[in-house]
Amino acid sequence: AQSVAQPEDQVNVAEGNPLTVKCTYSVSGNPYLFWYVQYPNRGLQFLLKYITGDNLVKGSYGFEAEFNKSQTSFHLKKPSALVSDSALYFCAVRDIGQDTGGFKTIFGAGTRLFVKA
Amino acid sequence: NAGVTQTPKFRVLKTGQSMTLLCAQDMNHEYMYWYRQDPGMGLRLIHYSVGEGTTAKGEVPDGYNVSRLKKQNFLLGLESAAPSQTSVYFCASSYRGPSPRTDTQYFGPGTRLTVL
Repeated sequence: AQSVAQPEDQVNVAEGNPLTVKCTYSVSGNPYLFWYVQYPNRGLQFLLKYITGDNLVKGSYGFEAEFNKSQTSFHLKKPSALVSDSALYFCAVRDIGQDTGGFKTIFGAGTRLFVKA
Repeated sequence: NAGVTQTPKFRVLKTGQSMTLLCAQDMNHEYMYWYRQDPGMGLRLIHYSVGEGTTAKGEVPDGYNVSRLKKQNFLLGLESAAPSQTSVYFCASSYRGPSPRTDTQYFGPGTRLTVL
């Protein structure tokens, strides 16, 4: 069965420092991986996705993620954090099972990012 | 474009009451989804629809029903609310690409439901 793990409930960084939010996955077959961000009292917003090709994926707001097949990881990164990046971040993988035809998205539990000024 | 909108934003129900949550999208998306978000559990798929007039069960469908009579609307119904259905509900939609597994989902702002 597919699964996603975000090992950190919370990540604290100082503004201007690089940030990393970790994600590992378990899938059978090719993974389709996503990162979403949720600001307070808002829905999830798409940041980036890995489907195939280049292992370094660039997304919105200066975020990028590195797909590492050998470590089954898809960590979210940003070279210089902003206070406005403080939010809840979700890693997700699309299900490839036959029962839901690929429409099921499996979300991690989320990692709360705090960026301190 | 308004994107994905949800009504109501907040609702408090008593056990056994019924209600319907409305999701609307103006992006002409083929696929629509209903999720619930609970602390520490991410989002879980309740039901989804691959087109007007079609619905299918997701991961946690029990206690919920859905309808997609119009392409732009996806309704989530609770016939007899239970405290376990206290949650934040999110609707999402996606464009019909070459594979549903690669589609980007667009989410509404959510409905916070409390069942007493």
